[in-house]
Amino acid sequence: DGGITQSPKYLFRKEGQNVTLSCEQNLNHDAMYWYRQDPGQGLRLIYYSQIVNDFQKGDIAEGYSVSREKKESFPLTVTSAQKNPTAFYLCASSISPRDTQYFGPGTRLTVL
Amino acid sequence: QQPVQSPQAVILREGEDAVINCSSSKALYSVHWYRQKHGEAPVFLMILLKGGEQKGHEKISASFNEKKQQSSLYLTASQLSYSGTYFCGSKYSGGGADGLTFGKGTHLIIQP
Repeated sequence: DGGITQSPKYLFRKEGQNVTLSCEQNLNHDAMYWYRQDPGQGLRLIYYSQIVNDFQKGDIAEGYSVSREKKESFPLTVTSAQKNPTAFYLCASSISPRDTQYFGPGTRLTVL
Repeated sequence: QQPVQSPQAVILREGEDAVINCSSSKALYSVHWYRQKHGEAPVFLMILLKGGEQKGHEKISASFNEKKQQSSLYLTASQLSYSGTYFCGSKYSGGGADGLTFGKGTHLIIQP
């Protein structure tokens, strides 16, 4: 089955620790995205990537980093520089940047 | 700039109709509608490109008014399964290679 997987579903970390969220897709999509969602809010763009080995900052990139070494994978690292990391993180992909974006199931990160 | 959704919330009886609006202060290239259930990922409903087209999906349809820079989502004869939060995501003129800019969402509650 084709789709987008994110792991883990729930993640708990201590303040000051870096943590990496996984996002994998087998849809052969070129473009991938990371969004953050806070309670009662819409989704805000963190990073996006149009092709392998290329990525761009979104609206709220501070305190985050990404890599795109393979077409299928777009991991997000939440660093200790991110002041309020507790949130629901959603990964998405699309055939091309102008096309429909499909979302993975999300990772809920809680920093204690 | 974030698109503005209205209303913020609406409560309906099963079988009633609803309209959700999404307005932008910037020229729109496309509008993407999603529905999200609590704790889950957004699910794609439909995409509208500039040109004033209207699309349908079962009992859910949408329109795009290029003059007003506004899109509306129409839910007719609502079912219990329609409950959730509806988001519009915008791409602005030029298409752009970046992600979507989402509104804050409209909470829809359908009561039996």
